[in-house]
Amino acid sequence: QKEVEQNSGPLSVPEGAIASLNCTYSDRGSQSFFWYRQYSGKSPELIMSIYSNGDKEDGRFTAQLNKASQYVSLLIRDSQPSDSATYLCAVTVFSGGYNKLIFGAGTRLAVHP
Amino acid sequence: DGGITQSPKYLFRKEGQNVTLSCEQNLNHDAMYWYRQDPGQGLRLIYYSQIVNDFQKGDIAEGYSVSREKKESFPLTVTSAQKNPTAFYLCASSLDYENIQYFGAGTRLSVL
Repeated sequence: QKEVEQNSGPLSVPEGAIASLNCTYSDRGSQSFFWYRQYSGKSPELIMSIYSNGDKEDGRFTAQLNKASQYVSLLIRDSQPSDSATYLCAVTVFSGGYNKLIFGAGTRLAVHP
Repeated sequence: DGGITQSPKYLFRKEGQNVTLSCEQNLNHDAMYWYRQDPGQGLRLIYYSQIVNDFQKGDIAEGYSVSREKKESFPLTVTSAQKNPTAFYLCASSLDYENIQYFGAGTRLSVL
């Protein structure tokens, strides 16, 4: 079982719709959760961080965390073509004496006009 | 202008050659990291450093080496022992090892 799993997509949504991206993780001890956006050929940029159960909103983005289900999601409201990118879920895992950041393979989002 | 600078943007390696990728940050971050990304895969940790003059192997350290002589700099050498070096290499830093990681623009390495 992979430590962080994401559906590779592509997830195709029309402009203005809500895009829902999901991520599951295997380590019950994980404490920190991140969503990064990566445009093709570019480096990842942080979109959201979440540390406790529930929802966290920032503009059009909402991160949701459910530690009991080992599930974290990212909702993008009013999706725009500029949101088309790969979204990487990252989770901290305590290993070898330090908190290691484990990345999923990413979900490719395509927002069409 | 604060940030993480990686150079070069593109690099070509001949067989048997060692190459060094540069990573410099002016964010005053203590921790620095090197990742490798292959197409369709997530980032995999090569090496990390929590403090100057100290670094640890990540999950795929074989064929790579690093140094951390200055807080601002964490160069990565891809040695000839790395038989499949073609990938996108990303350097990141964080305020300390528990905090959010920020990435440089990356170096794309190919084999001639």
